[in-house]
Amino acid sequence: GNSVTQMEGPVTLSEEAFLTINCTYTATGYPSLFWYVQYPGEGLQLLLKATKADDKGSNKGFEATYRKETTSFHLEKGSVQVSDSAVYFCALLYNQGGKLIFGQGTELSVKP
Amino acid sequence: GAVVSQHPSWVICKSGTSVKIECRSLDFQATTMFWYRQFPKQSLMLMATSNEGSKATYEQGVEKDKFLINHASLTLSTLTVTSAHPEDSSFYICSASFGGRYSGNTIYFGEGSWLTVV
Repeated sequence: GNSVTQMEGPVTLSEEAFLTINCTYTATGYPSLFWYVQYPGEGLQLLLKATKADDKGSNKGFEATYRKETTSFHLEKGSVQVSDSAVYFCALLYNQGGKLIFGQGTELSVKP
Repeated sequence: GAVVSQHPSWVICKSGTSVKIECRSLDFQATTMFWYRQFPKQSLMLMATSNEGSKATYEQGVEKDKFLINHASLTLSTLTVTSAHPEDSSFYICSASFGGRYSGNTIYFGEGSWLTVV
């Protein structure tokens, strides 16, 4: 079946460090891939997305490339800030119905 | 500003009572809404797909008689947790998408509703 696997957290980094959060997926067909961010006590916000292989999604310094050959969509940021502390969810959309399948989430904590 | 709004944000209810959570799409008509449940420090699990004017489609393992979903209009879906018990305590989030191709940026999430059953 369709699934998403993320690296386990929590991930703790110092400010300005490089961030990678791994995400791999299993899906039939050609899903769209997303990263969502959830700040403490809040709902989800779309961070970035990619709809086909080799697409790169980017937003607020974060980026992720849809790699079909490795079924991956790793999230990266060159220099994290304290304000980036949140939980990050990788997700896939496997049909056009709007249902998202989420990874387990990775908590990021950035220390000053 | 928010395009999907949930109410209430926080609710505490006594065990055995029912509680209703509303999900409203603002400024657009949502033919389909989704209800997710999130336990602390865990991922979101899809509970059901709410379709305007028809019965909701529940995911495997979700009790439809316990989690009643009503999508009576194109801007409102409600989730009612009936005969709530402490194990129903969770964060419930809805999402809404509007017609046409679903490209991800047309899927909006509500702010979520914290339910605590005591």
